[in-house]
Parts: sequence; structure tokens; C-alpha cells
Amino acid sequence: GENVEQHPSTLSVQEGDSAVIKCTYSDSASNYFPWYKQELGKRPQLIIDIRSNVGEKKDQRIAVTLNKTAKHFSLHITETQPEDSAVYFCAAMKYSSASKIIFGSGTRLSIRP
Amino acid sequence: DSGVTQTPKHLITATGQRVTLRCSPRSGDLSVYWYQQSLDQGLQFLIQYYNGEERAKGNILERFSAQQFPDLHSELNLSSLELGDSALYFCASSLDRAANTIYFGEGSWLTVV
Repeated sequence: GENVEQHPSTLSVQEGDSAVIKCTYSDSASNYFPWYKQELGKRPQLIIDIRSNVGEKKDQRIAVTLNKTAKHFSLHITETQPEDSAVYFCAAMKYSSASKIIFGSGTRLSIRP
Repeated sequence: DSGVTQTPKHLITATGQRVTLRCSPRSGDLSVYWYQQSLDQGLQFLIQYYNGEERAKGNILERFSAQQFPDLHSELNLSSLELGDSALYFCASSLDRAANTIYFGEGSWLTVV
């Protein structure tokens, strides 16, 4: 079945620096890759997503890149701020009659002041 | 506010008991997903319903069951509860069964004592 691996599990960066989180997926038929941010005790919230027909998408300080050949995608956060501290989850999904979103194991990002 | 409503927000119950968690999806969404998140853990996919029918199943225990009603709200039933069932249970919804954005509710905190 579908498997999504996410690295690193924890990440600490200096405020203002960039953070990169990477995910790999196993099912080459996956065609939708969302990223969610979850603050402590709260619900996961979508921050950016990408579909398999594009290689990169950017929204202000956040960008996602997709390499379909290698089956991996990455989240890039530039000019990190304290409010970026949270757990980030990647996910992979494919269109089918029995689609289910499988999430990566999460990355706890800490921004050092 | 994601538009996905979950009740109750908090629940404390004893081992061996049975509880029901309720979810109302966003207006117009036909798919409902249930996820389990234990303390400091990732999002474990339990089950998905689409327009009243079960569409995908994850690592859902036999003690757990779910259904989606004609008005599209869903219930997750947890029986013969064990201490290890203590977790945050999220419901999410999406427009259809395809690769679309899913929106999470605030979750139901279940504590088994």
C-alpha cells in the first residue's frame, strides 16, 4: 500500500533562517501532495499543496517542490518566524474510487529566537 | 473555522466502556475521514466514507466502527475501551472522493482511565 516517509522528525533553526522538510512516497500513481501545519493541541491546517502536473508552487515564504521521477517532495520555509514553530505533516493521495490520504510521521519545527 | 464540527470536544471514560464521537462535515462535502492521533504521534488513518458508503479502511481496530448517515454526518463508535485508546480523534471532510483538500475538525479528546 501507499507509504509516506518524512524527514527529519525534529528540526531546529535560527529565526530568519530557512527550513526544509522532505517526504518520499511509494505509490507512483499519487497525484496530490498537501502539507499541513499543526500547532499544539489544535487541528491540522492546510498551508500549501501541489498536484503532480507542476514541479513547484510558492506562497509567500512557503514553497513546495515535487520530483515525480524520484517520488519525493519538499516543503521550504524561508525567513522563519517564531509563529512557524509547529508540527508539519506531508501527505500523498491519488485519485481512485477508494482514495485515502496517508500522512507522513510529522516534523516538529522549532524556531530559535 | 474549517466548517467541520466535532462533538464532544473532551470526553473522559473508564476502561471497558463505549463512546460515540460525532462529526458534521463542511456544507457540501460528501467525504468524511476519521484519524487517530495519540500523544506526540502522527495522524493514523482509520476510515473514510463517501456519500454514506465506506470507501477506504486504514488501521481501524475491530472494536471500532463508523458510519455515515443520509444527512452526511458521521459517527465513530469505540467500544471495550482500553487505556491505549486515549487519543485525539479527528474528523475531516472533503468535497468528494477524489484528490481534493481535506479540512479537519477541532478534534475530540478521549481520555480512558
